[in-house]
Amino acid sequence: AQSVSQHNHHVILSEAASLELGCNYSYGGTVNLFWYVQYPGQHLQLLLKYFSGDPLVKGIKGFEAEFIKSKFSFNLRKPSVQWSDTAEYFCAVILTGGFKTIFGAGTRLFVKA
Amino acid sequence: DTAVSQTPKYLVTQMGNDKSIKCEQNLGHDTMYWYKQDSKKFLKIMFSYNNKELIINETVPNRFSPKSPDKAHLNLHINSLELGDSAVYFCASSSQGSGNTIYFGEGSWLTVV
Repeated sequence: AQSVSQHNHHVILSEAASLELGCNYSYGGTVNLFWYVQYPGQHLQLLLKYFSGDPLVKGIKGFEAEFIKSKFSFNLRKPSVQWSDTAEYFCAVILTGGFKTIFGAGTRLFVKA
Repeated sequence: DTAVSQTPKYLVTQMGNDKSIKCEQNLGHDTMYWYKQDSKKFLKIMFSYNNKELIINETVPNRFSPKSPDKAHLNLHINSLELGDSAVYFCASSSQGSGNTIYFGEGSWLTVV
């Protein structure tokens, strides 16, 4: 069955620490990959996406993600987090050309000022 | 202009009532969705329409009925509301031309008392 796993459910970091959130997927085919962020009380907003090409993609607010096909992974990174990065982060996957996007369970990030 | 707009934003209603949530997108997308986010932030797809045709219908009680009068609108009607229906309902849209990148509305916070 198709699935998306985010291994870290809660992450607490101090400001300026580096961030890496894990995402693994189980899909039989070519996929498009996404990371979304949901700030408290708000809707999901697109951080970055990968369709093809350079497996290292850069998104908004200094975030980047690396697609490693052999590991079925798409981990999100940020070199130095800020208090304003406190939010829920969702990894999402869709089969290329498909209609059904599957979301991971989310990772709640809390950044201490 | 809000790209995906849904109304109402907040809805408090009693058990057994019937309610509707409306959604409109001005992005020119051909696919629209309803997602449900529970109190643990888990995001689950409920329905999807492509060019007014229902293409995804997950295991959702038949008290929930979507309606898409045209490509830009997707409404959700809920009959006989139950306590467990309390959640945030997100409307979203996408187009195959952009790899089905999903763009979310701001959410409708439904509380059933």
